[in-house]
Amino acid sequence: NADVMQNPRHLVRRRGQEARLRCSPMKGHSHVYWYRQLPEEGLKFMVYLQKENIIDESGMPKERFSAEFPKEGPSILRIQQVVRGDSAAYFCASSPAGTAGPNQPQHFGDGTRLSIL
Amino acid sequence: KQEVTQIPAALSVPEGENLVLNCSFTDSAIYNLQWFRQDPGKGLTSLLLIQSSQREQTSGRLNASLDKSSGRSTLYIAASQPGDSATYLCAVSLYNFNKFYFGSGTKLNVKP
Repeated sequence: NADVMQNPRHLVRRRGQEARLRCSPMKGHSHVYWYRQLPEEGLKFMVYLQKENIIDESGMPKERFSAEFPKEGPSILRIQQVVRGDSAAYFCASSPAGTAGPNQPQHFGDGTRLSIL
Repeated sequence: KQEVTQIPAALSVPEGENLVLNCSFTDSAIYNLQWFRQDPGKGLTSLLLIQSSQREQTSGRLNASLDKSSGRSTLYIAASQPGDSATYLCAVSLYNFNKFYFGSGTKLNVKP
């Protein structure tokens, strides 16, 4: 689904480095959601943002992880001092409103595969 | 806390068979339920979205049903084709919440 753009598609980091993942929502969408998918598992919600606001970060690890969605530019998921357990696929979704209503399903990007050496 | 379970975890069928994938959820106060397809190394493609007030949705060879009271949904695939091979994910969202709770998926292999 190229409508939600994520980059990079693949990211390799060594333990202790920082990882920055970017997500540009679909045109006209102002709500962004980040999910993490571990191998052979479903997606787990991390954080929900609107422009310049974090609405729900109940799925974010307490340390090393942060997210932002500035007024201009893409949403950024930042992982500091990465560890092997951070290796996963990180997906971004966007929607035009706060509720996934009947005509407004969340649209997902192709994800960023993060590998920690 | 909402828990979503998908059975079976994996399924292998010969081409042409009709098949059913199952999804169950623990909290019936859902806003909607969505079925996705995920190909290896790819993102998610939305297949069907069922509102909480609906009982089923159809798209081509796909039919999804929803029984909110029993916490179940099924995805029916008619006349399966090798191109249907993928992982199928079920996800629910709750009232007043904007996030989806996902099952672990059913990995489908349709053999030619």
